[in-house]
Amino acid sequence: EDQVTQSPEALRLQEGESSSLNCSYTVSGLRGLFWYRQDPGKGPEFLFTLYSAGEEKEKERLKATLTKKESFLHITAPKPEDSATYLCARGIREKLTFGTGTRLTIIP
Amino acid sequence: NAGVTQTPKFQVLKTGQSMTLQCAQDMNHEYMSWYRQDPGMGLRLIHYSVGAGITDQGEVPNGYNVSRSTTEDFPLRLLSAAPSQTSVYFCASSYGAPGQGRAYEQYFGPGTRLTVT
Repeated sequence: EDQVTQSPEALRLQEGESSSLNCSYTVSGLRGLFWYRQDPGKGPEFLFTLYSAGEEKEKERLKATLTKKESFLHITAPKPEDSATYLCARGIREKLTFGTGTRLTIIP
Repeated sequence: NAGVTQTPKFQVLKTGQSMTLQCAQDMNHEYMSWYRQDPGMGLRLIHYSVGAGITDQGEVPNGYNVSRSTTEDFPLRLLSAAPSQTSVYFCASSYGAPGQGRAYEQYFGPGTRLTVT
């Protein structure tokens, strides 16, 4: 059974201060690694799918990378609107195992 | 495209009552899932379906029932509500043909916040 661990639990950054969120997992193999953004009171919003070690994807100020046992979500020059909880998950299609998330706060 | 819709948004039940949480998607996705989200525990899979007429249990299925009579709808039934079922429930759907093995992302609904007293 895959276990997904995210760190840190919470992160406060000044606007423009770049950083990275970590997601590590226990089971190797042919499964996807997914990043989601969740705003308070809303459902998770899909950001990225990564499938192979070495894969990278970018969207605006976010860049996700994947190794054999972990993934990073890099946030470059964040803005206050990037404040949210970022969730990482592993699995295929209908069966995902989620981490507990990193609560990111960007201070103006 | 409305995506994944869930009703109701909020619900309060008394212990022992039953109810159905509704979920519908208009993206013609074969795969649908129900998760619950509790503080400090992340999202946990309750039940899932790989197509109309086919359902299976996830990590925390006890106390819940599902059926999938159409591609669009995947209701979750609470048989006899307990305070431990107080949670936020999310429905999700995804595409991808059986046997491909390639990962496909799930798209989530807005959630139903359930309180059992």
